[in-house]
Amino acid sequence: GAGVSQSPRYKVAKRGQDVALRCDPISGHVSLFWYQQALGQGPEFLTYFQNEAQLDKSGLPSDRFFAERPEGSVSTLKIQRTQQEDSAVYLCASSISGGNYEQYFGPGTRLTVT
Amino acid sequence: AQKVTQAQTEISVVEKEDVTLDCVYETRDTTYYLFWYKQPPSGELVFLIRRNSFDEQNEISGRYSWNFQKSTSSFNFTITASQVVDSAVYFCALSNTGGFKNIFGAGTRLFVKA
Repeated sequence: GAGVSQSPRYKVAKRGQDVALRCDPISGHVSLFWYQQALGQGPEFLTYFQNEAQLDKSGLPSDRFFAERPEGSVSTLKIQRTQQEDSAVYLCASSISGGNYEQYFGPGTRLTVT
Repeated sequence: AQKVTQAQTEISVVEKEDVTLDCVYETRDTTYYLFWYKQPPSGELVFLIRRNSFDEQNEISGRYSWNFQKSTSSFNFTITASQVVDSAVYFCALSNTGGFKNIFGAGTRLFVKA
């Protein structure tokens, strides 16, 4: 497929469990972004990769959140010891290079922490 | 601080009406980019337009048009002759200093009734 894909689409986790969310960006896109979208809100920036380098992680809400992109393509967002406030849709986007270019979004992963 | 404000939470129109979605932004940068994205009920954000701060020319694409005015820090979006398929949440976004991420507004939910 030509678009950004994310898996799983839905994830239910019990409080305290660890989760891993995967993002496959558009082939050749250098930049990859993770956003968190709460119900009825706009996407909130979490972190940004340029190739394999994580250049900005200022939006990660706590040290329970960790993201990686080891080979500069697929990325994983990991949340340890999930809490109820982590329930949200997690969006991945990619762009040719940086936030000054249009971003192409995946369908998101809806995380529900019970 | 950088900020995007979409004051209209929800708008409801009848098909074939024209509708304008407002976006006001704040930034101290002289070079920046503005975006509009559409999020249909399926959930995936779709890029609509990108505009840089040096190009104040209005743009028209089919039934869509955008009015960028630096003097009022606004980047408004008009849909002419709205259709039911236009029903979605529309987000305005601003690239941050350094261009690492987009700052999104809270979105405007548009309902177009047949």
